[in-house]
Amino acid sequence: KQEVTQIPAALSVPEGENLVLNCSFTDSAIYNLQWFRQDPGKGLTSLLLIQSSQREQTSGRLNASLDKSSGRSTLYIAASQPGDSATYLCAVEQYGNKLVFGAGTILRVKS
Amino acid sequence: DVKVTQSSRYLVKRTGEKVFLECVQDMDHENMFWYRQDPGLGLRLIYFSYDVKMKEKGDIPEGYSVSREKKERFSLILESASTNQTSMYLCASSPPNQPQHFGDGTRLSIL
Repeated sequence: KQEVTQIPAALSVPEGENLVLNCSFTDSAIYNLQWFRQDPGKGLTSLLLIQSSQREQTSGRLNASLDKSSGRSTLYIAASQPGDSATYLCAVEQYGNKLVFGAGTILRVKS
Repeated sequence: DVKVTQSSRYLVKRTGEKVFLECVQDMDHENMFWYRQDPGLGLRLIYFSYDVKMKEKGDIPEGYSVSREKKERFSLILESASTNQTSMYLCASSPPNQPQHFGDGTRLSIL
């Protein structure tokens, strides 16, 4: 059974710092990996999707990498801002369009 | 823009009640999903549907049922609500093999 783990569970950084969020998964038979953002009391917003054949995806200050063989992904946020404060969720897609989620990393960027 | 609408943002019900959570999407997506989200556990898949009148169990279907009579609407039913079903419930939809789009969630409290 696929298990997705995110480290750290919570992170507090000063504004302007570069940071890395980690995600690991136990079964490498995935179609893709997605990073989501969730603001308090809200649904999920997709940030980046990496297909299983890709190594990384970039969007603005965000860069996500995928190493399928080792079961790891990282989300790199450059020059963090208070508006980046949110919960970040990693999810892998398996057969049947089903997503398996990690528990998330709660990020707080202090001004 | 894709819109997934969950009928209630907050809901309070009593133990033993039959509870209906409604989800509507406006993009003619074939796939629809119900998740619950609990602190430290991330999102867990309850049920999903690939087409009208079709449904499949996810990872935690016990105590829940679903109904999909029309393509745009996917209902989650708690047959006899219990306190351990207090949670945040998230609905999502997608075309086949495409990223899922999420609603804003329903925070359900069972007293």
